[in-house]
Amino acid sequence: QSALTQPASVSGSPGQSITISCTGTSSDVGTYDLVSWYQHHPGKAPKLIIYEVIKRPSGVSNRFSGSRSGNTASLTISGLQAEDEADYYCSSYAGSSTSFVFVFTTGTKVTVL
Amino acid sequence: EVQLVESGGGLVQPGRSLRLSCAASGFTFDDYAMHWVRQAPGKGLEWVSGISWNSGTIIYADFVKGRFTISRDNAKNSLYLQMTSLRAEDMALYYCAKDIVGAGFDTFEIWGRGTMVTVSS
Repeated sequence: QSALTQPASVSGSPGQSITISCTGTSSDVGTYDLVSWYQHHPGKAPKLIIYEVIKRPSGVSNRFSGSRSGNTASLTISGLQAEDEADYYCSSYAGSSTSFVFVFTTGTKVTVL
Repeated sequence: EVQLVESGGGLVQPGRSLRLSCAASGFTFDDYAMHWVRQAPGKGLEWVSGISWNSGTIIYADFVKGRFTISRDNAKNSLYLQMTSLRAEDMALYYCAKDIVGAGFDTFEIWGRGTMVTVSS
């Protein structure tokens, strides 16, 4: 299974909205609703912020939202805040003729200007 | 409080074995599937393996098939990863993660802080 692709970096000013894309294939993002997004501050445990494409875990700010169009999922962060500066990863369940696995993106570094 | 604490990492020579453990607390461990995810230095997250609540379904990333074995002991609220034939490219911070379902797999809801595995002669 190949890794999903996303931009290496995205930046925005406080209060702005940014969108991170996660591009896969019809064998993963395009077929399964098991697409998740994680926020990772270096040195800390990753944090789940979106699961099943659009769902937000309890306690996660509604400034984070997920969507999908075809083989590309997207994470939008609205009202960007300094604390949002972190690495963001997308993952998806992926299937083939012989196995099912999870695949991650290489990650996007979000910088708040 | 839901908590996952990994242990067992360390320095190991190429070709040798290591067993990682993950102690779970704050939730009903045998209700949920569990996973191992790793992060090599300077790299992104990489899923390693997952196990359903009753060990009935186990899945592995292609790069560890035949070398790593995931297991769990629900009586001890613990998850394990037996790693054999370790390679330099296996060097990473290994995270234990809790799923939100038991019989299948969905997402990585709660993560531990990780345990570092260093493979070097």
